[in-house]
Amino acid sequence: EAGVTQSPTHLIKTRGQQATLRCSPISGHTSVYWYQQALGLGLQFLLWYDEGEERNRGNFPPRFSGRQFPNYSSELNVNALELEDSALYLCASHDPSYEQYFGPGTRLTVT
Amino acid sequence: QKEVEQNSGPLSVPEGAIASLNCTYSDRGSQSFFWYRQYSGKSPELIMSIYSNGDKEDGRFTAQLNKASQYVSLLIRDSQPSDSATYLCAVNSWNTGNQFYFGTGTSLTVIP
Repeated sequence: EAGVTQSPTHLIKTRGQQATLRCSPISGHTSVYWYQQALGLGLQFLLWYDEGEERNRGNFPPRFSGRQFPNYSSELNVNALELEDSALYLCASHDPSYEQYFGPGTRLTVT
Repeated sequence: QKEVEQNSGPLSVPEGAIASLNCTYSDRGSQSFFWYRQYSGKSPELIMSIYSNGDKEDGRFTAQLNKASQYVSLLIRDSQPSDSATYLCAVNSWNTGNQFYFGTGTSLTVIP
């Protein structure tokens, strides 16, 4: 069974640009969570998608957005990048028993 | 008050000893509890989940949950150097829209 995949592994952007991060969940999982892990901080919940709909979002500004596609893969978009957006962005595939399985992450660096 | 609190450590134990990691949470309505291991530069890896009061054992790992005290712990028996990592406690509650809250993690070092 393939695990959670994320792309790209690394992404370097300049302030003000837009970043797009992608995630494919475990086959059969319909639910995807996005998290931000900034250096020295814990995982912060960003967004939850299930069955193609946004179900909940964390305490982040609207320039963090995303979507989930019919095949349950998901995309996270970050507009108007700021230096403090530099972090590891993790996608988690969520199963019916509430267990979450993380992808390898995308390291976003904003310069 | 943070939703999930962990002692940041670092916690050092000798090889073969028992490592004890603790976590408290603030939302009494929380239903699901998880322990993850995260190696430096890697993503979190699920170790155990626990949903009801008491102990749950899986190999060298034992999770303990006490909902009355809002306390979750993880015991690692016969600790190995490969167990050296940061351990994250996570809590889930439908009260907050099925949101997951993570602690900042406890750094564990197992000394050979």
